[in-house]
Amino acid sequence: SYVLTQPPSVSVAPGQTATITCEGDNIGSKSVHWYQQKAGQAPVLVVYYDTDRPSGIPERFSGSKSGNMATLTISSVEAGDEADYYCQVWDSSSDHNVFGTGTKVTVL
Amino acid sequence: QVQLVESGGGVVQPGRSLRLSCAGSGFTFSRHAIHWVRQAPGKGLEWVSLTSHDGGNKFYADSVKGRFTISRDNSQNTVYLQMNSLRPEDTALYYCVRDARPLGTYSYSDYWGQGTLVTVSS
Repeated sequence: SYVLTQPPSVSVAPGQTATITCEGDNIGSKSVHWYQQKAGQAPVLVVYYDTDRPSGIPERFSGSKSGNMATLTISSVEAGDEADYYCQVWDSSSDHNVFGTGTKVTVL
Repeated sequence: QVQLVESGGGVVQPGRSLRLSCAGSGFTFSRHAIHWVRQAPGKGLEWVSLTSHDGGNKFYADSVKGRFTISRDNSQNTVYLQMNSLRPEDTALYYCVRDARPLGTYSYSDYWGQGTLVTVSS
């Protein structure tokens, strides 16, 4: 089955940039979406179709993709960005939705 | 506004059954695929199942295939998840999630419910 691998944790100081990676075989051929989940809350979409941002999501959140890796970048990190982040793709070869392993972002 | 409300969770013994419901409102329910996604305590997100907008296509994670059945009643704006032969590892918060693209190929999830907790324990 298709697997998306993320680093378990990322630590960043306020005002700095957090980079969260998502690796998957041939991910370049798939659309990657990203979710933020704060403690005790349901996930919220922050980036869709690799680079698009839903209304209401700050411009500090951006997505990119290159080779076998997709990346979520959070610029000028704030304390409120502390959360778990998940990447996701629809794997059409297996008709399965796949979530990444998740990355906990800690703001120092 | 778009709302998804799950119900039906609870404590159940291993091997027993449970049926979850997801009621949608604030959008044209019959135009959107609906997923179930679960999250075990302290763990990550795991996709469970999907029903297409009209119920014609249904897909399942390998971990639940043959035990869980998804269905929908568009006249009632409701999706169901029938869970049989439950195991302790099925213990999780179960989210009902809307697929964003109406009538289209499956993509991303734009609205999530608050979840219903299923605990499988003797």
